[in-house]
Amino acid sequence: SQQGEEDPQALSIQEGENATMNCSYKTSINNLQWYRQNSGRGLVHLILIRSNEREKHSGRLRVTLDTSKKSSSLLITASRAADTASYFCATNQAGTALIFGKGTTLSVSS
Amino acid sequence: NAGVTQTPKFQVLKTGQSMTLQCAQDMNHNSMYWYRQDPGMGLRLIYYSASEGTTDKGEVPNGYNVSRLNKREFSLRLESAAPSQTSVYFCASRGLAGGRGTGELFFGEGSRLTVL
Repeated sequence: SQQGEEDPQALSIQEGENATMNCSYKTSINNLQWYRQNSGRGLVHLILIRSNEREKHSGRLRVTLDTSKKSSSLLITASRAADTASYFCATNQAGTALIFGKGTTLSVSS
Repeated sequence: NAGVTQTPKFQVLKTGQSMTLQCAQDMNHNSMYWYRQDPGMGLRLIYYSASEGTTDKGEVPNGYNVSRLNKREFSLRLESAAPSQTSVYFCASRGLAGGRGTGELFFGEGSRLTVL
């Protein structure tokens, strides 16, 4: 099945540093979305980038999409301890449900 | 503004028992989904309902049934629970963005199921 694969699986950084997570997928998509999950909670939508977009910003988040390489990256700038969570990419083809990757676990220490 | 509400939050079953997970959304969304989350596996789609009156299988439908009771409610039933169904189950809903059905998912807080 089509599935995004995040890389790395786990990432540990210090507060103030930038965190970069990557996502690769297999087939053509309509859009790609990033979600965040705090421990023991449901997922929360962060940002959506459409297949005809290359870059999108939302606050401290920057997402890029390279459809030729079938990959996306999520950059969190100036990380905070509160950014500690798991981050998932999800891909969406026309008319189908979102398919999620396995996630990147980010740990930000103060 | 409740969003997506799942019940129960926790449940322990014995092998062979049946149960139904309930999900309701108050956002007037057309589409609803059931995912399961297991360590190291991410979220896997069990079933979804693109609109009231329709349901479709996802990646891992075996051992489950669903009912789209009305636009608000989408239930997931385990007819004969197995230890392999121990997982965290998430319900989600999605509206439409520009009429193309590409909007974000809104998730419930999850139902943690243990099958002994």
